[in-house]
Amino acid sequence: EAGVAQSPRYKIIEKRQSVAFWCNPISGHATLYWYQQILGQGPKLLIQFQNNGVVDDSQLPKDRFSAERLKGVDSTLKIQPAKLEDSAVYLCASSLRTFGRGVYNEQFFGPGTRLTVL
Amino acid sequence: SQQGEEDPQALSIQEGENATMNCSYKTSINNLQWYRQNSGRGLVHLILIRSNEREKHSGRLRVTLDTSKKSSSLLITASRAADTASYFCATDELNAGGTSYGKLTFGQGTILTVHP
Repeated sequence: EAGVAQSPRYKIIEKRQSVAFWCNPISGHATLYWYQQILGQGPKLLIQFQNNGVVDDSQLPKDRFSAERLKGVDSTLKIQPAKLEDSAVYLCASSLRTFGRGVYNEQFFGPGTRLTVL
Repeated sequence: SQQGEEDPQALSIQEGENATMNCSYKTSINNLQWYRQNSGRGLVHLILIRSNEREKHSGRLRVTLDTSKKSSSLLITASRAADTASYFCATDELNAGGTSYGKLTFGQGTILTVHP
């Protein structure tokens, strides 16, 4: 089966500019995640969608970051305006289902978008 | 926030040796997962161990989980140069209601280098 697709793979922008990332999850996966991975650290969850609803966005800097998954399939993550500290790899992941104790979900990750803010 | 703390931060071994990485966490979990990340590539799921399991095997991988100590270990036996990567533990935490939303919290990772 096709994996999680992300684009672009690389993006270089200047601070205060805007940028958008796109993700297409594995077909049939209800849950979609966006992570930020700063160099030398583990991924940090920014936002989690279940179909087109937000499950968790507690770590999303909402003053500059926004994300949507309008039809419950593709998703976009936007940064406006970008800061130097936003330089990172942005990973998208999807899983089949999410909720409940005893539900065990493997997350499948895309290749990521490497963002450099100058 | 980073829940899993991994030890060591970096590990360098020779091909054929075993590699052991440890992970500690702080809260109650639904399950714990290990992922591998090669340089410049995405994360790949390696193995998942449920909170009621103590040990699990998958090929050359052996994972243990001690919920009383809130710790896990990943053992890679007979390592190969191709095992060179960063390894992350990730916890699927239980919320206050005792359920899981599938949110994973990753550790900082262990960088494993296997020399031919």
